[in-house]
Amino acid sequence: AQSVTQLGSHVSVSEGALVLLRCNYSSSVPPYLFWYVQYPNQGLQLLLKYTSAATLVKGINGFEAEFKKSETSFHLTKPSAHMSDAAEYFCAVRKRGYNKLIFGAGTRLAVHP
Amino acid sequence: EAQVTQNPRYLITVTGKKLTVTCSQNMNHEYMSWYRQDPGLGLRQIYYSMNVEVTDKGDVPEGYKVSRKEKRNFPLILESPSPNQTSLYFCASSSVKVANTEAFFGQGTRLTVV
Repeated sequence: AQSVTQLGSHVSVSEGALVLLRCNYSSSVPPYLFWYVQYPNQGLQLLLKYTSAATLVKGINGFEAEFKKSETSFHLTKPSAHMSDAAEYFCAVRKRGYNKLIFGAGTRLAVHP
Repeated sequence: EAQVTQNPRYLITVTGKKLTVTCSQNMNHEYMSWYRQDPGLGLRQIYYSMNVEVTDKGDVPEGYKVSRKEKRNFPLILESPSPNQTSLYFCASSSVKVANTEAFFGQGTRLTVV
């Protein structure tokens, strides 16, 4: 069965520091990959998605993610964290030909001054 | 504006009292689903629907019901809520016609069963 692993349930960075949130999937065929963000008391908002057009995907708010097939990874990065980036981030996969999204457990990002 | 609307946003109820959480989307999406979000577990699918009158169980369907009488609406029904159904619930919709499409989510319903 397909699964998604997010390493680190909590990540804390200083404002201006690099953000790195890790996501690994288990699948023999690369699925569609997504990163969603959840701000407090809000729903999930799409940050970016991988659809096989390019391995480096740019999203909103300065985030980007790189698909690495050999490592079955889709890590999310941002060069310089802002206080407003504090939120919970979810990696999700969707098997090609299917509609169901499978989510990782989530990573809560804290940004301190 | 494309959106998924859930109501209510917050709900406190007592064990055994039937409740319904409504979900409506305005994007003409065929696929709709319900998730529950619990700390450390991410989002888990409860039920989904491929189209009108077509519904099926997800990963954690016990204690829930759904219906899809109209394309835009997908209510979640708890016939006899129990405290272990205290959770944050999300409705989502997506198109089945676009291969790489993402899902759109509602704002969530925080349910507490006492």
